Amino acid sequence: GQQLNQSPQSMFIQEGEDVSMNCTSSSIFNTWLWYKQDPGEGPVLLIALYKAGELTSNGRLTAQFGITRKDSFLNISASIPSDVGIYFCAGTSRDDKIIFGKGTRLHILP
Amino acid sequence: DADVTQTPRNRITKTGKRIMLECSQTKGHDRMYWYRQDPGLGLRLIYYSFDVKDINKGEISDGYSVSRQAQAKFSLSLESAIPNQTALYFCATSDSKISGSLTGELFFGEGSRLTVL
Repeated sequence: GQQLNQSPQSMFIQEGEDVSMNCTSSSIFNTWLWYKQDPGEGPVLLIALYKAGELTSNGRLTAQFGITRKDSFLNISASIPSDVGIYFCAGTSRDDKIIFGKGTRLHILP
Repeated sequence: DADVTQTPRNRITKTGKRIMLECSQTKGHDRMYWYRQDPGLGLRLIYYSFDVKDINKGEISDGYSVSRQAQAKFSLSLESAIPNQTALYFCATSDSKISGSLTGELFFGEGSRLTVL
């Protein structure tokens, strides 16, 4: 079946550093989305991408929809303590299923 | 009040018991979903419903059933719970009227943690 390969699985960074994570797939996706999950809560949408090549920013977050429609990345600039959590990529496939990656757990060292 | 409400938030049960997790939403969305989250495995789709009379299997539907009693309510049942169904379960909604297609913009509840002993 269709799968999203999300990396890295976890990250340990210093406060103030930039963060980069990505998702790849062997299948084409119609949309790419990035969600964040805080402890004890459900995921919340951060950025949605609808067109191949699209680059979108939301504050310190920037995400891109790969030109091949098989990948996407998320960058976080100047990380702060509240950025801690699990980040998920998700894509909608041609058969209208929403598939999630396995998540990237972000840790910020004091 | 939360727009997507799940009950119960926590449940401990024994192998073989029947369990129902309920989800209700006040967002007026037509589409509802049940996902399961396990450490290191991300979110996996169990069932989804595009409307009251529409039910579709997801990636891991075996051992589960659902009922869409009304547009605002979508329940997940485990007919005979087993230990490997111990997980965090999420209900989510989306609105097809925004884009007319499945865009992936989901709104999640706070989760129901189920432990099967």
